[in-house]
Amino acid sequence: QKEVEQNSGPLSVPEGAIASLNCTYSDRGSQSFFWYRQYSGKSPELIMFIYSNGDKEDGRFTAQLNKASQYVSLLIRDSQPSDSATYLCAPYSGGYQKVTFGIGTKLQVIP
Amino acid sequence: NAGVMQNPRHLVRRRGQEARLRCSPMKGHSHVYWYRQLPEEGLKFMVYLQKENIIDESGMPKERFSAEFPKEGPSILRIQQVVRGDSAAYFCASSPLDSQETQYFGPGTRLLVL
Repeated sequence: QKEVEQNSGPLSVPEGAIASLNCTYSDRGSQSFFWYRQYSGKSPELIMFIYSNGDKEDGRFTAQLNKASQYVSLLIRDSQPSDSATYLCAPYSGGYQKVTFGIGTKLQVIP
Repeated sequence: NAGVMQNPRHLVRRRGQEARLRCSPMKGHSHVYWYRQLPEEGLKFMVYLQKENIIDESGMPKERFSAEFPKEGPSILRIQQVVRGDSAAYFCASSPLDSQETQYFGPGTRLLVL
């Protein structure tokens, strides 16, 4: 079993819709979860992190975490064409443990 | 405050040559991470370093690859006797001592092996 599972997509949504990106992980010791956005040919950039069960909202982005189910998601409301990118899920177990990245889900927002 | 810097941004090598990739972390950051991203694949962890110390090199290939982060100067990822399969984007990230998990990425070095 891979440490981080993401549907590679592409996930296509119309402009203005809600995009839902999902991630499951295998390490029950994971304490924090990061979502990075990577535009084609660019480096990843941190957009959200969450460490408590439940929801965390930041602008149009909402991260949802369910540690019991080992599941974390990212919702993007009012999707814009500029949101078209690959979104990487990254669980972190704390201390000197490395952050593990999923393969990422490619999101396409159709104007 | 300058971000993470990597150079060169693009590097072309012939098979058998050596490639040296440099990474200067953000000011005040003491942790450096190297990742490799093959075309159409995800980020693969390679190595995690502090100044003068390798914390985790579990993602480094056993041969030809080495990394260092000296007391002075940038972190170096060195690939000896490059092969075509080494062609990839190599990203460096850094994090501060008190927030090791929050990584900021550099622009990457695109290595092409002919």
